[in-house]
Amino acid sequence: DTGVSQDPRHKITKRGQNVTFRCDPISEHNRLYWYRQTLGQGPEFLTYFQNEAQLEKSRLLSDRFSAERPKGSFSTLEIQRTEQGDSAMYLCASSQDGRRNTEAFFGQGTRLTVV
Amino acid sequence: AQSVAQPEDQVNVAEGNPLTVKCTYSVSGNPYLFWYVQYPNRGLQFLLKYITGDNLVKGSYGFEAEFNKSQTSFHLKKPSALVSDSALYFCAQGKDDKIIFGKGTRLHILP
Repeated sequence: DTGVSQDPRHKITKRGQNVTFRCDPISEHNRLYWYRQTLGQGPEFLTYFQNEAQLEKSRLLSDRFSAERPKGSFSTLEIQRTEQGDSAMYLCASSQDGRRNTEAFFGQGTRLTVV
Repeated sequence: AQSVAQPEDQVNVAEGNPLTVKCTYSVSGNPYLFWYVQYPNRGLQFLLKYITGDNLVKGSYGFEAEFNKSQTSFHLKKPSALVSDSALYFCAQGKDDKIIFGKGTRLHILP
């Protein structure tokens, strides 16, 4: 079990640039989540996938954000025209199914700094 | 409305003393409750969860949590704190098809 991995671990970008993050979930997990965490706050839900289907997007996810999971395995999160307010830790998690009593396992996150 | 509330931003405990980190949850059918821990520069780690059954749930690293339906609480506890327990702790609740997190409580264990 290699756990959830995220790449890159850190990203510094200039305002207005596009960035893309990758998440590789635990291999047998069919549910994948994206969260955002800012300093002093808990993780905020952004979106999730069941296999390749994106089933829910938070209102926090503006139209500059897009996520994909094309083959039901790894996922990407793209932010277009980044803004300073996008600076945060972006966390990916996976779980074996989508039941409310199933725990999710998290990656170490990608820390985005927009300058 | 937030599912879970963690009323304390920070808790300080002397090493060797018992610790409690508080959490209250929103009532919505059967609550599914979790505790996670976040060490510096590390991802969130699952500690324990409550589904149904025994009100005292045992988890990793000697932690346990007590589910109290009448008080809608799910406090995290440990009988004897270690300096290495110092970290950020998050209470969370399963809601719809996702996990909703509290704001977190920073635990400082003083040597």
